[in-house]
Amino acid sequence: DAGVTQSPTHLIKTRGQQVTLRCSPKSGHDTVSWYQQALGQGPQFIFQYYEEEERQRGNFPDRFSGHQFPNYSSELNVNALLLGDSALYLCASSRSGGDTQYFGPGTRLTVL
Amino acid sequence: SQQGEEDPQALSIQEGENATMNCSYKTSINNLQWYRQNSGRGLVHLILIRSNEREKHSGRLRVTLDTSKKSSSLLITASRAADTASYFCATDVGGKLIFGQGTELSVKP
Repeated sequence: DAGVTQSPTHLIKTRGQQVTLRCSPKSGHDTVSWYQQALGQGPQFIFQYYEEEERQRGNFPDRFSGHQFPNYSSELNVNALLLGDSALYLCASSRSGGDTQYFGPGTRLTVL
Repeated sequence: SQQGEEDPQALSIQEGENATMNCSYKTSINNLQWYRQNSGRGLVHLILIRSNEREKHSGRLRVTLDTSKKSSSLLITASRAADTASYFCATDVGGKLIFGQGTELSVKP
């Protein structure tokens, strides 16, 4: 049973560019959440998707957007990249109504 | 915003010793979860304790929760070098996890 997968593993972009990160949830899970983890910090909640809709959103600007597909996989898009967007981006999946969120290995984004 | 405060920020012990990490939070929660992270990789779920539970065990892990003090502790008994990692508490507030800044545990062989 495959766990949560994310792609790519690493990514280097320059300021002003746009990036798309991808996540496939654990089998049987229908809810996907995205988190940003800056170096030396705990993860911060970006948003959560369920039934292809954004269900909750954290304190992130509109430059951060997402999408969930009918197969429950999800994308995180970040526009107009800033140096401060450099971080590890983590995807977590869960069952609707379930408690535990299972995390993928993350995508390390570096903005130069 | 970070809800949790973890204490200590760093902990260094010898193999075989016990490690205790503490977490405090601010708002009402559905549950509290502990995760481990090795070298900036993905988070591994360790244990979940619900708001109506006081103590939970899983292998060498023991978690307590005191909702009146809004605090939790994670005890790792008989630590091993492989336990070296960062440990995070996360409170579930309406389905979103709010993490503390973590405790960096180093277990020396």
